Amino acid sequence: EAGVAQSPRYKIIEKRQSVAFWCNPISGHATLYWYQQILGQGPKLLIQFQNNGVVDDSQLPKDRFSAERLKGVDSTLKIQPAKLEDSAVYLCASSFTLGRQGAAEAFFGQGTRLTVV
Amino acid sequence: SQKIEQNSEALNIQEGKTATLTCNYTNYSPAYLQWYRQDPGRGPVFLLLIRENEKEKRKERLKVTFDTTLKQSLFHITASQPADSATYLCALEAVGYSSASKIIFGSGTRLSIRP
Repeated sequence: EAGVAQSPRYKIIEKRQSVAFWCNPISGHATLYWYQQILGQGPKLLIQFQNNGVVDDSQLPKDRFSAERLKGVDSTLKIQPAKLEDSAVYLCASSFTLGRQGAAEAFFGQGTRLTVV
Repeated sequence: SQKIEQNSEALNIQEGKTATLTCNYTNYSPAYLQWYRQDPGRGPVFLLLIRENEKEKRKERLKVTFDTTLKQSLFHITASQPADSATYLCALEAVGYSSASKIIFGSGTRLSIRP
């Protein structure tokens, strides 16, 4: 099966500019996640969708970050305006289902490496 | 506060030995715990999942244990090979504010196997 697709692979922007990342999850996966991974750290969950609804965005800096999942399939994550500390790899992942009983592995894309200068 | 701690940032062992990685957590009650492998420039790849009512799970040279009393999981790679060199991430299930489950990651342990 095709994996999780992300684009772009790399992006360099100046601070205060805006940027958008795109993710196409594995077909049929209801749960989609965006994680931020700073160099040397583990992935930090930013937002989680179940179909096209948000189920957790407690760690999303909502003053500058936004995300949507159109028709419960593709998703975009936007940063506006970017700060230097947003430099990180942004990982998209999807899973078939998620719940206390319906545990499922998450499949990750290769990520988008963002550098803010 | 809630924490997930992995034993060390880096672990160096000799080829053929068993590598043991530790994941400790506080103020979580996960229904299950997962281990992922991450290579440089790539996204994490799922390895194993263990549920709260399971003590141990094996897959080929990998073994995971889960002790909910100690709030700890151990990840073992037996007969380690240089190809096992990577960062290993512990991830546990947590219940978010909407009562939905989410996956929270530790900071990872970078494992190096020397020939």
